[in-house]
Amino acid sequence: QQPVQSPQAVILREGEDAVINCSSSKALYSVHWYRQKHGEAPVFLMILLKGGEQKGHDKISASFNEKKQQSSLYLTASQLSYSGTYFCGFRGSNYKLTFGKGTLLTVNP
Amino acid sequence: EAQVTQNPRYLITVTGKKLTVTCSQNMNHEYMSWYRQDPGLGLRQIYYSMNVEVTDKGDVPEGYKVSRKEKRNFPLILESPSPNQTSLYFCASSWDRGGYSTDTQYFGPGTRLTVL
Repeated sequence: QQPVQSPQAVILREGEDAVINCSSSKALYSVHWYRQKHGEAPVFLMILLKGGEQKGHDKISASFNEKKQQSSLYLTASQLSYSGTYFCGFRGSNYKLTFGKGTLLTVNP
Repeated sequence: EAQVTQNPRYLITVTGKKLTVTCSQNMNHEYMSWYRQDPGLGLRQIYYSMNVEVTDKGDVPEGYKVSRKEKRNFPLILESPSPNQTSLYFCASSWDRGGYSTDTQYFGPGTRLTVL
């Protein structure tokens, strides 16, 4: 069962902040976040482990609430280069990685 | 240069004609995986392989086969393609060591398949 991502789409002006949420009905070991620009392959952003701390990547950070089986991606002071589709991926105890349907982020000047 | 390569990048074929999409990585990764991407459905895992001769089903394995005879190669085989397999396919690899792995997954450039 795919993780549920929200919102499905968001439009920002450069410099604004955004939050993308992802939730699962299954027990999780880790959460993966990727960004995909139109016509390109997904690119890794970060992985958060069960029991791990919040991670950051420049002005993009994420959290993982194990009890609620939820993760959030925080984009601060968005830049034009942040535009793309963001995917969360959830992994249980095996090697299977299940992605959400994606959130389309558009950053306008 | 570290990379995952896929061939072909574009393919138009007809229903029932067997085809193979190749995937190769030069990073000595143990873990490799195939995904399909369809509008509105995101990335869905087809098959994955934890090492040579070790493969397992992802979320949408029906109609696909894989093999892992060498560490660097992980071909995707469609024995009898159907129009509902028209999609964008991605291969990926990593050093993945299971649930607690923090290793980056590298994606290939994608193969756009159309089955008529």
